[in-house]
Amino acid sequence: QAVVTQEPSLTVSPGGTVTLTCGSSTGAVTTGHYPYWFQQKPGQAPRTLIYDTSNKYSWTPARFSGSLLGGKAALTLSGAQPEDEAEYYCLLLYSGAVVFGGGTKLTVL
Amino acid sequence: QVQLQESGPGLVKPSETLSLTCTVSGGSITSYYWSWIRQPPAKGLEWIGCIHYSVGTNYNPSLKSRVAMSVDTSKNQFSLKLTSVTAADTAVYYCATISAAGTNWGQGTLVTVSS
Repeated sequence: QAVVTQEPSLTVSPGGTVTLTCGSSTGAVTTGHYPYWFQQKPGQAPRTLIYDTSNKYSWTPARFSGSLLGGKAALTLSGAQPEDEAEYYCLLLYSGAVVFGGGTKLTVL
Repeated sequence: QVQLQESGPGLVKPSETLSLTCTVSGGSITSYYWSWIRQPPAKGLEWIGCIHYSVGTNYNPSLKSRVAMSVDTSKNQFSLKLTSVTAADTAVYYCATISAAGTNWGQGTLVTVSS
């Protein structure tokens, strides 16, 4: 099974910009992996922010955006807010299988 | 909007079988691939596997020897069985749909493995 890698932790200043990435052990991440991004705060269920690389849900704050960057899926947060401090997980689809990344703990400080 | 709800025992004894059911409303069980996902306390998300009523199943290789999923089209439900459980199987278990077109999750149910 493929391994999906994320930065274990990142820190961003309030109002700043940060990019989280999601890589695949099988090679470059493409739109064919339909990358997802989830946000999870302590004690809460994961909430989907991005699906199919860059599509947002109605509840996804405009400051979050998804893309492909340098062979990886990327989640960019522009104008970080204190409430964005959370764990972020990516997910990739592989021909019927689903693999989650290990998560990135984002600190807003 | 498809809604999912997990149900099943919250406590399972070591070496026994964990059994959970997911009831689907607002959509047909024949329309999607249905997944089970789990999250042990203070750890990350792990995909257990998925099932399609006519295509079949696809399991995480790390759990494949202990997992079985099934679909009951008459009840619009799908189920998970995980055999020979240990404390390492203690987790919040979620049922979900995950596809290129989006995802829907249940609220999750905590299953504790303990004697």
